[in-house]
Order: sequence, then C-alpha cells, then structure tokens
Amino acid sequence: QSALTQPASVSGSPGQSITISCTGTSSDIGGYNYVSWYQQHPGKAPKVLIFEVSNRPSGISNRFSGSRSGNTASLTISGLQAEDEADYYCSSFTSSTTLLFGGGTKLTVL
Amino acid sequence: QVQLVQSGDEVKRPGSSVKVSCKASGGTFSGYGISWVRQAPGHGLEWMGGIIPVLGSAEFSPKFQGRVTITTDKSTRTAFMDLRSLTSDDTAVYYCARGPGTYPSNYFDYWGQGTLVTVAS
Repeated sequence: QSALTQPASVSGSPGQSITISCTGTSSDIGGYNYVSWYQQHPGKAPKVLIFEVSNRPSGISNRFSGSRSGNTASLTISGLQAEDEADYYCSSFTSSTTLLFGGGTKLTVL
Repeated sequence: QVQLVQSGDEVKRPGSSVKVSCKASGGTFSGYGISWVRQAPGHGLEWMGGIIPVLGSAEFSPKFQGRVTITTDKSTRTAFMDLRSLTSDDTAVYYCARGPGTYPSNYFDYWGQGTLVTVAS
C-alpha cells in the first residue's frame, strides 16, 4: 500500500489561512468517512486535530477544519500562529481494513 | 486523565525480536482500541496494526503481517507489540495509540511517549 499523497511543505504568514491536501483513492479517502488529521511537533507524539473527515475533538481550536471532495481530503488552518509550525499527517481507513497515513507536510510559519 | 506509558528504549541485533509494552492509566481499557504506529528517523508515520480487546480482533498492515503480534492483558491494562526478524530498517520510534472501541478504530486521541528501537550489529 502506498502512502496517501501530501505536499512535502507549505508555508504562510501569521494570520493567514493555509490548506494542506491529502489525496488517495476511492478505496480509502473517497470510500469512507474515516479521515483524520494529526499535528506533530519535533520530538513529540502526534496529536489528533480532526477525525472522521471534519470533526474536532474537544479542546482543539476551531481554527482547524477538515473537509473532503472526492478522493482528496483537506485540512485548513485559519489565523495562522507561530505555534502551528509543525508536521501534519492525514490518515484514512482503507478497503483492506487497514489504516494508511500520508507522507506528511511540514508547515512553516514565515 | 488518560495516560499511555511505554517501556524504555531498546537496542537489538539484526534477526532478533523486540517486545514493547504500553500501560494505560485513567479511563477504561477494554472499551477502546490500541494501535501501534512507528516513525523511522526523519520519516513519516506508519500504521503497523491494531486490536480492539472487546472484539478480540486484530488487524495488521500487509507490510508487517506475519512478523508482528499485538496482544493485550486486561488485568494489567497493558498492550504489547512483538516484532520479529528485525533488520536495520526497523530502527524507529514505536508509539502505541488509543482509538475508538468500535470498528474501525480509525483515529487516535491518546498516544504513548514513544519507544526508540535501534537495530544494529
């Protein structure tokens, strides 16, 4: 199984909005409402930001939002802040009853 | 306050096995799923497999099928990941992570601190 496809890097200035894409197939992202997004700071464990396409866990800022169109999921971060600088990963359940992660996207806050 | 506390870092020889533990405190144990995710140095996250104790079923990534075993001990609220036939490519930080107790256990709200497994001769 190949990893879901994410851009290697994105950047934005404080206060701006950015969107990270995650492209799969109809056998994963396009076929199930089981897409999640994680934030990982260096040397730390990942933290879930979005689950089941667009749901935010308790305690996660509403600056983070998730969506999906066809086989591509997206994470949007609005009002970019310095502490948002991190690696971001998408994940999806697949028709093989496994979980697949994206390759990760490094967000730089300029 | 839910916490997942993993066993300490390990150094292993090629061809050997490693067993990493993940002890849960706070909340219930059997009502959730536990998955194992690894991250090689400088690389992304990779799901290895997971188990939902109440369902008694485990699923594995094809990449690790036959080489990894995931078990749980409800009496000690501990999950275990056993990886065999280690090679240098298995050098990574291994995380346990808690997911929903219903199928599929598809996202993870609590993570262990990570266990570095180094495979070297």
